[in-house]
Amino acid sequence: LAKTTQPISMDSYEGQEVNITCSHNNIATNDYITWYQQFPSQGPRFIIQGYKTKVTNEVASLFIPADRKSSTLSLPRVSLSDTAVYYCLVGDGAGGKLIFGQGTELSVKP
Amino acid sequence: DAGVTQSPTHLIKTRGQQVTLRCSPKSGHDTVSWYQQALGQGPQFIFQYYEEEERQRGNFPDRFSGHQFPNYSSELNVNALLLGDSALYLCASNSRRDTGNTIYFGEGSWLTVV
Repeated sequence: LAKTTQPISMDSYEGQEVNITCSHNNIATNDYITWYQQFPSQGPRFIIQGYKTKVTNEVASLFIPADRKSSTLSLPRVSLSDTAVYYCLVGDGAGGKLIFGQGTELSVKP
Repeated sequence: DAGVTQSPTHLIKTRGQQVTLRCSPKSGHDTVSWYQQALGQGPQFIFQYYEEEERQRGNFPDRFSGHQFPNYSSELNVNALLLGDSALYLCASNSRRDTGNTIYFGEGSWLTVV
């Protein structure tokens, strides 16, 4: 299972765009890239998932270069409520075994 | 469409006791996994159930066991509780028929061992 590396923490201000980059050099052919958001004392919440190129939904965009060795989660116009820990994971999901790193603690300030 | 539901949300047990946590997967999902999350850490994979059998297991002792029922719901059992078992226990589900096998998590069960 591919390990991921992401910044431990990031600071931003309300209304800014936030980009969190994740490295996954050993990603396998069948692996998808999935990002989760977690608030204290709550379960991780699915944000977005992609395999290659760009994926966009109502809350975020995910950019994946051709070599798939990294990915960038983009959160447009963050608000205070986006303060949370963000996890990047890779895997094919079928095994259900996701390896969580420390995640990126995003702090959004007014 | 109900998501992943877990019960109880909070419980307190005494060292040496046994505990059972319950999980109902998201509608349409057939695979259930359990994770343990200690304070300040990322979730750690305990095991996964599919077709009522344990398919994968993380680095957890045999005191941790589980079960999956024909309706895909699942239980996590922990015997001989230790203080270090205090954590948030997360249930996650996915469907092996879905592209990408997106995994969804419940809100967790907070276990405190005293």
